[in-house]
Amino acid sequence: EAGVTQFPSHSVIEKGQTVTLRCDPISGHDNLYWYRRVMGKEIKFLLHFVKESKQDESGMPNNRFLAERTGGTYSTLKVQPAELEDSGVYFCASSRAGQQFFGPGTRLTVL
Amino acid sequence: GQNIDQPTEMTATEGAIVQINCTYQTSGFNGLFWYQQHAGEAPTFLSYNVLDGLEEKGRFSSFLSRSKGYSYLLLKELQMKDSASYLCAGTDSNYQLIWGAGTKLIIKP
Repeated sequence: EAGVTQFPSHSVIEKGQTVTLRCDPISGHDNLYWYRRVMGKEIKFLLHFVKESKQDESGMPNNRFLAERTGGTYSTLKVQPAELEDSGVYFCASSRAGQQFFGPGTRLTVL
Repeated sequence: GQNIDQPTEMTATEGAIVQINCTYQTSGFNGLFWYQQHAGEAPTFLSYNVLDGLEEKGRFSSFLSRSKGYSYLLLKELQMKDSASYLCAGTDSNYQLIWGAGTKLIIKP
């Protein structure tokens, strides 16, 4: 089966611009997670979808971040406006239950 | 608070055995994961322990002691391709993954 895919793989934007990251989970996985790893620090949880509903968004850093999962399939994470501290690798993971399968990540650089 | 601690870096020799330790504190506990991550790639699943004891899977084994809040990942017959970061992640009562910063394992010939 196809794994979790993420697009784009890299994004370089200027401070104040908007970026939208996309995640396509493994087909049939109701759970979808977004994580972020800032350089030199541990991976941090951002939020968790169950189908199209936000189960837990306690890790979202602020209201510049907006995640959606239309129809319970793919998910987008929009950062608007982007700030320098938003730079990092954004991982998406999906699961049926238990083990989470990770996508390759999107490396975001905000200049 | 919630916290995962693991060493920052370890070095081992090809063919040897290495043990990477992890201690955790989570609000509730629903198991502990180990992931491997090569530079620039996504984390890949290695093991999941929810009961005390040792789980063996080929060259890799993982151990959990819930009473001590302690786990380790044991890698045997080390190969050069095992050079990677090894991430310990606990799960809290909401099944959220709480991540350690990762242990960078360097394998020398």
